[in-house]
Amino acid sequence: NAGVTQTPKFRVLKTGQSMTLLCAQDMNHEYMYWYRQDPGMGLRLIHYSVGEGTTAKGEVPDGYNVSRLKKQNFLLGLESAAPSQTSVYFCASRTSGDSYEQYFGPGTRLTVT
Amino acid sequence: AQSVTQLDSHVSVSEGTPVLLRCNYSSSYSPSLFWYVQHPNKGLQLLLKYTSAATLVKGINGFEAEFKKSETSFHLTKPSAHMSDAAEYFCVVRSWTGRRALTFGSGTRLQVQP
Repeated sequence: NAGVTQTPKFRVLKTGQSMTLLCAQDMNHEYMYWYRQDPGMGLRLIHYSVGEGTTAKGEVPDGYNVSRLKKQNFLLGLESAAPSQTSVYFCASRTSGDSYEQYFGPGTRLTVT
Repeated sequence: AQSVTQLDSHVSVSEGTPVLLRCNYSSSYSPSLFWYVQHPNKGLQLLLKYTSAATLVKGINGFEAEFKKSETSFHLTKPSAHMSDAAEYFCVVRSWTGRRALTFGSGTRLQVQP
């Protein structure tokens, strides 16, 4: 099993450009999450999904959109990138049970100039 | 609301000496607590979790944490640090909101000196 994978690993964007980050998991997990990690702030939840076809806002959703068309994939989109979105983005997934343990991808480092 | 506070942003120890990373939590309900570790330029890995069973929780790589309700603490310890323990450690609490997500502390960077 590959677990949780993220594409791409690195990306540099200019202000105003758009891009999509892809997260894929092969563990048949129901729940998937997108976080951003900034220095000294831990991880903050952007959006999440509790199943195929569903999405919901997290703590810091502004400037991002998501889609979950297939159970194994969770896409994070930036329609018009801003320097404040420079961050490391992590995807995670978990089962629908009570353990709440999340499995994380390796991260995508995004720089917006 | 649930939250965690990591009391030290940086901790430096010598190899072979004990490690103590401090975490206090706030939760309206019986908490589920976790410690995750992030090695440089890597994703996050679960070290251990507390889910209201034993108050002393053993994790991977010799780490353990003790849940103390009276002190609202969940400190992470290891008897003897190894160079490979150098990483960032996150104390995490389960969110009881509809998000069914995790709330992360700000992290503690552990440095291990030879």
